[in-house]
Amino acid sequence: QQQVKQSPQSLIVQKGGISIINCAYENTAFDYFPWYQQFPGKGPALLIAIRPDVSEKKEGRFTISFNKSAKQFSLHIMDSQPGDSATYFCAAGLRSNTGKLIFGQGTTLQVKP
Amino acid sequence: DTAVSQTPKYLVTQMGNDKSIKCEQNLGHDTMYWYKQDSKKFLKIMFSYNNKELIINETVPNRFSPKSPDKAHLNLHINSLELGDSAVYFCASKSSGGVSYEQYFGPGTRLTVT
Repeated sequence: QQQVKQSPQSLIVQKGGISIINCAYENTAFDYFPWYQQFPGKGPALLIAIRPDVSEKKEGRFTISFNKSAKQFSLHIMDSQPGDSATYFCAAGLRSNTGKLIFGQGTTLQVKP
Repeated sequence: DTAVSQTPKYLVTQMGNDKSIKCEQNLGHDTMYWYKQDSKKFLKIMFSYNNKELIINETVPNRFSPKSPDKAHLNLHINSLELGDSAVYFCASKSSGGVSYEQYFGPGTRLTVT
């Protein structure tokens, strides 16, 4: 019940295209849904996050779409650039001050020039 | 200025040895975490401390023992290392104040057990 399922495992997009990564969760207690970006040899870094009381959040070229009834959320990267090539992780946080995050399996994105 | 730092960055050791990884954060956070990232890049939480108190202790072999001497430091000691312990270990921190759940990750320690 604490799993977060992420797809696809890998994604290849042409420069300028739209990258879409999907995640699904089961535990309705989750109240925080971040996306982390990880470059090779680096630690994950927060990219964008959303709370379940909104259906969409946009920051620059990155947008989270959230569907509470379906228990799904997705990351859209508009005008994808080669510099966006990285591994992306969705996560879900529990309602407690531990801040525990359950991560999805990760998606390796390659943006071709 | 490094926000979350880990030492060492690389650790190569033989099976059966005991090793430690150190983590320090200068963000003033009071909650720190250890994660394990396996060869498939799956990130799994291991432990968490809040103000030196253990608050998350996932199903981890008891060969792994975290220690937090103060809220800015969280160390991970591993006894009797096994091949399956090879992974990248990340330290992270967050503030327990407010509603921010953002965790700041360190650069990772790549542990290779031979």
